[in-house]
Amino acid sequence: AQSVTQPDIHITVSEGASLELRCNYSYGATPYLFWYVQSPGQGLQLLLKYFSGDTLVQGIKGFEAEFKRSQSSFNLRKPSVHWSDAAEYFCAVGSGGSQGNLIFGKGTKLSVKP
Amino acid sequence: DTGVSQDPRHKITKRGQNVTFRCDPISEHNRLYWYRQTLGQGPEFLTYFQNEAQLEKSRLLSDRFSAERPKGSFSTLEIQRTEQGDSAMYLCASSVLWTVVGYTFGSGTRLTVV
Repeated sequence: AQSVTQPDIHITVSEGASLELRCNYSYGATPYLFWYVQSPGQGLQLLLKYFSGDTLVQGIKGFEAEFKRSQSSFNLRKPSVHWSDAAEYFCAVGSGGSQGNLIFGKGTKLSVKP
Repeated sequence: DTGVSQDPRHKITKRGQNVTFRCDPISEHNRLYWYRQTLGQGPEFLTYFQNEAQLEKSRLLSDRFSAERPKGSFSTLEIQRTEQGDSAMYLCASSVLWTVVGYTFGSGTRLTVV
């Protein structure tokens, strides 16, 4: 069965420091992978997605993620974190079937120290 | 394009009451999804529509839950005889071709059953 693991429940980084959020997936075929961000009490905003091609994908707000098939990973990175990046981040995998439903990880909460 | 709208934003109800939520997708999106998100978890798929047809339902969707999308536009999610375990954020999302652009999520309806 498809699954997504985000090993870190909560991460705290200093403003200006680099960030890497981990995501591991389990999926038999080529996965469709997503990172979403959720601010408190809000819906989810798509940061970036991977479907095929270049394994390093660029997203909004200066985020990027790298797909590594050999490690079944799709880690999210940002070179310099801003205080406004504090939020919860969700990795998700979608099936290649017609349904289009996503399976989400449990999320990583990011706190940013001034 | 005003995005995906959900109404109400918050709902407090007594156990045993019925509640109904509404989702207005982006107008040209023919797919509409419902997800449920409990505290500390990622969103979990409930059901989806392509136009007015409900094509898939998760086993999470007990017989107390029903969803409709008349005329393929807005959708409603009804929960009958609410239980405390139904307390969650209910998220709606819409898409055209999800495999190309992914979803757009609404801000969600926060349900509290007391």
